[in-house]
Amino acid sequence: KQEVTQIPAALSVPEGENLVLNCSFTDSAIYNLQWFRQDPGKGLTSLLLIQSSQREQTSGRLNASLDKSSGRSTLYIAASQPGDSATYLCAVRSTLTGGGNKLTFGTGTQLKVEL
Amino acid sequence: EAQVTQNPRYLITVTGKKLTVTCSQNMNHEYMSWYRQDPGLGLRQIYYSMNVEVTDKGDVPEGYKVSRKEKRNFPLILESPSPNQTSLYFCASSFGGRNQPQHFGDGTRLSIL
Repeated sequence: KQEVTQIPAALSVPEGENLVLNCSFTDSAIYNLQWFRQDPGKGLTSLLLIQSSQREQTSGRLNASLDKSSGRSTLYIAASQPGDSATYLCAVRSTLTGGGNKLTFGTGTQLKVEL
Repeated sequence: EAQVTQNPRYLITVTGKKLTVTCSQNMNHEYMSWYRQDPGLGLRQIYYSMNVEVTDKGDVPEGYKVSRKEKRNFPLILESPSPNQTSLYFCASSFGGRNQPQHFGDGTRLSIL
């Protein structure tokens, strides 16, 4: 059974700092890994999707890496801003779960960027 | 605007009173799914649908029903709601390929008293 863990559960950093959020998963048989952002009272916004054959994806100040063999992904946020404050979730789409259509989520990292 | 729309956004109701949460998407997606989010447990899948008239159970289907009569709609039905179904619910959709990103609605917060 796929399990996804995110560490740390909460993180507070000063504005301008570069930071790394971690995600680990137990079963390396995945189609892809997706990073989401969740704001209070809002749904999930997809940030980046990395296919199993890829090593990293970039979008603006965000860079996500994937090491499938070790079951790890990181989300790097450069020059953090207060507007980056949110909960960040990673989710994996496993080949052996739910016909390959189910996302298994971590419990998230709650990020606060302070002025 | 491409979106997944859930209604209602908030609902407080009582045990045993049947309710339906609607989900509609305007992106012509084949795949739709329902999740619930609980503190410390993350998001867990309730049901999913590969296409019209094709549905299957997720991890936590007990107490829920779904139907997929039209491609754009995927309602979640609680026939006899109980307090343990108090949660934040999300509907998601995507194109059928397994490497397609999933798009989420804004969520429905249900409180069952």
